[in-house]
Amino acid sequence: AQSVTQPDIHITVSEGASLELRCNYSYGATPYLFWYVQSPGQGLQLLLKYFSGDTLVQGIKGFEAEFKRSQSSFNLRKPSVHWSDAAEYFCAVGANFGNEKLTFGTGTRLTIIP
Amino acid sequence: EAGVTQFPSHSVIEKGQTVTLRCDPISGHDNLYWYRRVMGKEIKFLLHFVKESKQDESGMPNNRFLAERTGGTYSTLKVQPAELEDSGVYFCASSQEAGRETQYFGPGTRLLVL
Repeated sequence: AQSVTQPDIHITVSEGASLELRCNYSYGATPYLFWYVQSPGQGLQLLLKYFSGDTLVQGIKGFEAEFKRSQSSFNLRKPSVHWSDAAEYFCAVGANFGNEKLTFGTGTRLTIIP
Repeated sequence: EAGVTQFPSHSVIEKGQTVTLRCDPISGHDNLYWYRRVMGKEIKFLLHFVKESKQDESGMPNNRFLAERTGGTYSTLKVQPAELEDSGVYFCASSQEAGRETQYFGPGTRLLVL
């Protein structure tokens, strides 16, 4: 069965600092990987996704993520965070063709301090 | 274009009562998904419709939950009778074509069972 681990429940960073959120997955075949963000009072918004090809994917709001098959990881990064990045971030894995449900991690809550 | 909408945004009911949640997917999206997040835990898949048919209902917790999608448009999720452990946030998502398409999420319905 597929699973996702986000080891950091809560992270606090200073505005302007760099950010890396960790995500490890377990899946037997080539995974589809996603990062979603949920801002207060909002639904889940897709930041970026990896299906195949270039292992470094660019997303919205200046985020990027790198797929590392050898480490079963898909960490999310941003070089300089803004106060508006404060939110909860979810990593998810989807199965390949024919089984479309997403399996999510428990989420990482990001707090930005001035 | 309107996004995925969910109604109500919040619901507070007593144990044993019935609650019906509604989801309106993005127009033209054949795929509709229900997910649930119990407080502090991961977002878990409940079921997947393709048009009006249930493609995968492996995540439905028990027979107190009934999902329908009449006519392949909006969907309802009924909980009857509600139990304390049903409290959480219920998300709906839709996608145009299962497999490689992004799932677009609604804002969720926050259900509290007292």
